[in-house]
Amino acid sequence: GAGVSQSPSNKVTEKGKDVELRCDPISGHTALYWYRQSLGQGLEFLIYFQGNSAPDKSGLPSDRFSAERTGGSVSTLTIQRTQQEDSAVYLCASSSWGSDFGELFFGEGSRLTVL
Amino acid sequence: AQKVTQAQTEISVVEKEDVTLDCVYETRDTTYYLFWYKQPPSGELVFLIRRNSFDEQNEISGRYSWNFQKSTSSFNFTITASQVVDSAVYFCALSEAGRSQGNLIFGKGTKLSVKP
Repeated sequence: GAGVSQSPSNKVTEKGKDVELRCDPISGHTALYWYRQSLGQGLEFLIYFQGNSAPDKSGLPSDRFSAERTGGSVSTLTIQRTQQEDSAVYLCASSSWGSDFGELFFGEGSRLTVL
Repeated sequence: AQKVTQAQTEISVVEKEDVTLDCVYETRDTTYYLFWYKQPPSGELVFLIRRNSFDEQNEISGRYSWNFQKSTSSFNFTITASQVVDSAVYFCALSEAGRSQGNLIFGKGTKLSVKP
């Protein structure tokens, strides 16, 4: 597809389980970002990957959260031992090298509900 | 501390009215960038505009215009002759030069409803 693709679009899980959320960026985009959107906190930056550089993980809220990007393309955000406060929409975005700074192309998000 | 405040949580207007969405930011950096994004009901955020801290010129794009004033730390967004398709949540965001690209600080958003 032409845009950023995220899966699953909806995920319901039980507290304590692990979840994986997937992001397929726009082809050719070297930068990839994860954000979290929740009612109470708004949009929060989680992590940023750029090419082969070390990722900026400064936004990850705890060590239960991790992300990887394989082959410079697809990324997986993993949340271990989920808690109810992890319920949110997880948004992935990508951008190309040389594109306008901060011009991100977002996917539709993965809605996570932790029961 | 870095912060973006969008004081208007929800605004409702009737089609063809003009509407201004307010954005106030806080930063200690002299080099920074300001953005507006639109989030329609489908959920995908769409980039609208970027402004750097050295460029205070107002910008107009069709029915959209932006007013950047460093003296009041504001970056307001005006939609002229609003249309139903403008209904969305609008986010203002800030990025400082010391942060990595894409590490944006977003406001909580303003939900705009345009009624026919």
